[in-house]
Order: sequence, then C-alpha cells, then structure tokens
Amino acid sequence: QVQLVESGGGVVQPGRSLRLSCAASGFIFSNFAMHWVRQAPGKGLEWIAIIWYDGSNMFYADSVKGRFTISRDNSNNTLSLQMNGLRAEDTAIYYCARGFEYASSSPLDHWGQGSLVSVSS
Amino acid sequence: DIQMTQSPSSLSASVGDRVTITCRASQDIRNSLAWYQQIPGKAPKVLLFGVSILGSGVPSRFSGSGSGTHFTLTISSLQPEDSATYYCQHYDTTPPLTFGGGTRVEIK
Repeated sequence: QVQLVESGGGVVQPGRSLRLSCAASGFIFSNFAMHWVRQAPGKGLEWIAIIWYDGSNMFYADSVKGRFTISRDNSNNTLSLQMNGLRAEDTAIYYCARGFEYASSSPLDHWGQGSLVSVSS
Repeated sequence: DIQMTQSPSSLSASVGDRVTITCRASQDIRNSLAWYQQIPGKAPKVLLFGVSILGSGVPSRFSGSGSGTHFTLTISSLQPEDSATYYCQHYDTTPPLTFGGGTRVEIK
C-alpha cells in the first residue's frame, strides 16, 4: 500500500535551516508529482510546494519562495524540503502528499502523517 | 492567484441531518475542485475530486456539486464519525493549489 513517511522535523532557531525528508513506498514514485503542505497550530491547510514527477518543474507559495527548495531523488524514492531562513511563522506540521500519476496539477490522494517544525529562540 | 472562500467556518448539526458546505473560487476553475476531511490529530484525506467523484472508500453520503466558481459539499445524513474539518482545494492549471479556510463540523 502507499506509504509516505516524513522525517527531519524539530525545534530550530529563527534564521537557521532545516531539511525535511519524505520516504515513499508502495507505488512507482517517479510517476507522480509530489507536494508539501503545512498546517500551523490551530490553523488551516497551506499548500507550499510541488515538484513534477520527473523533477523538471517546481512551484512555490509566495510565503516560502526564495527560502524553501523542494527536490526529489527518484532512484531512492525520496522527497525533500530544504528550509532556509526559518521564521516563527513557519512553525507548523509539514505534510508530504502525492498527486495523480503524471499530472502536473491534481488532487492530493495520499498524505504522510506529518512532521512538526517549531521555530523558536 | 486563485482564492478559495468557504462558508460557514463552523457548524453544529445532529446525527441524521443534511449538511451543506459552500466553496467559492475567485475565478473560473472549471471542475478542478477537491474536498478533504481532516479528523483532529490526523492527516487530511481526499473525499471528492473533479467536484463530484468519490475518493477511494468514501461513503456515498458524501456528494459534491457545482462548476466554475461555486461548489458545494453535502453530507446527506450526518454520522458521528463525520465530526471533522472540511477543506476545499482547487487544482486548476498552474500552482499555487489554494485551500479554502476550512469548515469545522461538530455533532450536537
């Protein structure tokens, strides 16, 4: 079955960096676009980034553009999110999620359990 | 960017009630609209996509309708396990794939 397992979250000081990973299994990873979505404590869902199935295109929400970088390793079935210049408002649970096969824009049909990032001094 | 506006932000209803949640897009998104259910402490789960196509394993009491800019999610007979927050999301053309603000459904 499809599994997405995030890791790498934790407590980090403002201005520092953190890298999240998402290990995928149970499907042909290289066929699917992948996303990161976050949820601040007590708030709604915020889509933040997508990378196409072949890694040829990436798009970001304005709130993270220029600070966060999404990447993927199709040989190791891994999605990553490099987060630089972290701010207090980046505190959230970060979910990786799968789009539809070969689709550049689609619903998110499988989600990981989330990884908590807390930015605090 | 396309903005998604949900209403109401919360509601309280009894078991067996018919519940309707509305989602409006700031521009025409055709039928590129999905609904998600998030139970507290859990990851979101897709309920419907393409406005009205049920996700895998989703009960038939959930249905969706609409097109263009106005969409609705209906729960035909509310069940205790439907206590959750519901989000709409557009996935029309290029990102960002914006979510609505969410509707919290509480069982009376």
